[in-house]
Amino acid sequence: QVQLVQSGAEVKKPGASVKLSCKTSGYTFNTYGVTWVRQAPGQGLEWIGWISVYNGKTDYAEKLQGRVTMTTDTSTTTAFMELRSLGSDDTAIYFCARLRSGWDIDFWGQGALVTVSS
Amino acid sequence: QSALTQPASVSGSPGQSITISCTGTSSDVGSYKLVSWYQQHPGKAPKLLIYEVSKRPSGVSNRFSGSKSGNTASLTISGLQAEDEADYYCSSYVRTTTSYVLFGGGTKLTVL
Repeated sequence: QVQLVQSGAEVKKPGASVKLSCKTSGYTFNTYGVTWVRQAPGQGLEWIGWISVYNGKTDYAEKLQGRVTMTTDTSTTTAFMELRSLGSDDTAIYFCARLRSGWDIDFWGQGALVTVSS
Repeated sequence: QSALTQPASVSGSPGQSITISCTGTSSDVGSYKLVSWYQQHPGKAPKLLIYEVSKRPSGVSNRFSGSKSGNTASLTISGLQAEDEADYYCSSYVRTTTSYVLFGGGTKLTVL
């Protein structure tokens, strides 16, 4: 069965970076994209970006452009997202998920809480 | 780009039908048949309910249906059940100089 298992919760200080991982299984990794979505406490879903596992192409949300980098490791079928220069408004649950060709998201990871606090 | 517009909350009684709207613009919802809907229960990851405006993934109840007219997409839930109480989000594909997904602000459904 399709699974996306994310790394654990992180606590970071303002200005630091965080790198999250997302281990996938149960499907052919390079035939789908991987997208990252975050949700601040009590707020809605915010799209961060996506990566084509097939060719490494990425698109990022304009507001995060320059601070975010998404990569994949096809040998371990794992996706990564690094977010730099963290601020308090980056505190959120970060989800990785499988992105289909119709730009819908059919399988989600369990989420990873990132807390940015001094 | 601004989030798609959804009502903050809707409510209904068991057995009734409700509709949640998702209003965008001619640059997003109005331009593509790539609107999705997600259900999220507290503390859980979202679940795909509808994709490509009106298609249901395997395993999703046929009580959930989607449609679109112009710049507004809609999710209808018929025969409301207690377990339908959750947050619902729409999303649309958008293509400008890049490709991205635009989410709605979310709608809290209360089953009375």
